[in-house]
Amino acid sequence: ETGVTQSPTHLIKTRGQQVTLRCSSQSGHNTVSWYQQALGQGPQFIFQYYREEENGRGNFPPRFSGLQFPNYSSELNVNALELDDSALYLCASSSIGGEKLFFGSGTQLSVL
Amino acid sequence: DAKTTQPTSMDCAEGRAANLPCNHSTISGNEYVYWYRQIHSQGPQYIIHGLKNNETNEMASLIITEDRKSSTLILPHATLRDTAVYYCIVRVALFGNEKLTFGTGTRLTIIP
Repeated sequence: ETGVTQSPTHLIKTRGQQVTLRCSSQSGHNTVSWYQQALGQGPQFIFQYYREEENGRGNFPPRFSGLQFPNYSSELNVNALELDDSALYLCASSSIGGEKLFFGSGTQLSVL
Repeated sequence: DAKTTQPTSMDCAEGRAANLPCNHSTISGNEYVYWYRQIHSQGPQYIIHGLKNNETNEMASLIITEDRKSSTLILPHATLRDTAVYYCIVRVALFGNEKLTFGTGTRLTIIP
């Protein structure tokens, strides 16, 4: 149990829709990162937020966006969903410069 | 971040030591070796990390070769709960850099 909670656990959307995923970070952690994990692959870094600002981004299009709130919780928003967006979305928290990330159990998104 | 190479899968008998190898021949002097594991339906879990000295904690030991081009994660007494995908990652531990670059990892199966 890492203390990182994500909601919802499962979600089904149709192509073209928009989705918002939520993450509550572990107490005392001020940095949140989001990862996408396709079936059979390792997680891929989407972006990181620190002090409510994006602080690093992977190779994902602008329709992937995020927010971090003053309590360090975070949202991942994906617009214009595509079939290939079907994946497990993982949130991880850490203290800035921390040695390790603490991951939540993820949100399984299916796009039909 | 440097690329890593791991075997796709390994089996280990319950109660025996599980030795998981990782090659990182292009590692830079300021890059650390990290190990995470992912049990089915969960987010990745931090195991251990090191720079050039061998490291041990309550979960595992990490042996890094003198030239730092390879390492081995050792689970001293494997249990069925150690069945998971194990990821070897090298990264620069910079302030504000919480990005992890995952490969496809090693699927370790503990045999009763």
